[in-house]
Amino acid sequence: DTAVSQTPKYLVTQMGNDKSIKCEQNLGHDTMYWYKQDSKKFLKIMFSYNNKELIINETVPNRFSPKSPDKAHLNLHINSLELGDSAVYFCASSHSAAVSGYTFGSGTRLTVV
Amino acid sequence: QKEVEQNSGPLSVPEGAIASLNCTYSDRGSQSFFWYRQYSGKSPELIMSIYSNGDKEDGRFTAQLNKASQYVSLLIRDSQPSDSATYLCAVNSGGSNYKLTFGKGTLLTVNP
Repeated sequence: DTAVSQTPKYLVTQMGNDKSIKCEQNLGHDTMYWYKQDSKKFLKIMFSYNNKELIINETVPNRFSPKSPDKAHLNLHINSLELGDSAVYFCASSHSAAVSGYTFGSGTRLTVV
Repeated sequence: QKEVEQNSGPLSVPEGAIASLNCTYSDRGSQSFFWYRQYSGKSPELIMSIYSNGDKEDGRFTAQLNKASQYVSLLIRDSQPSDSATYLCAVNSGGSNYKLTFGKGTLLTVNP
């Protein structure tokens, strides 16, 4: 059983489209995250939800909207995709990040053409 | 000043040597420090965590923390070609229980 699973693994789409990425964790963790990793491998936090409540919302264009229907799921919807949105998006989960760090999903490679 | 800094590398070592990876952080309130390994095209995988000053050993890996110098390092003994990856340092900036801030990673290549 995959602990943190993301779908799709690859996403190629045209500029201006709207797309969603889904994430599910079966670890019983209460906090989930979205990170963006650019071409230089820099991992930057975007959002975090704790028990369905948004607790971290970094400086991200409002074209990005996270949704957490329950504490095991965190989705990311992106409107009006731009070339600069091309990156790998990682979902992660934790019980207590300061104690045990994160468990990452396998990532979604988004390419905007 | 960047929150978490690492030399981007690449760091190249021969098989069997000790690889030394370094990380500095700016927030003195940070309490938890992690090393992740990321193979090309894969997700980051937690390999070490350290919370107190000193050394922590796990197999071939040793993490070292010096809070006074705001410095954390990872030593890999008897390096193997399978250790070739990008190593990411992560810190819970401000003592946050949720947010980890990552460095840009150091690419390590172990040559057979």
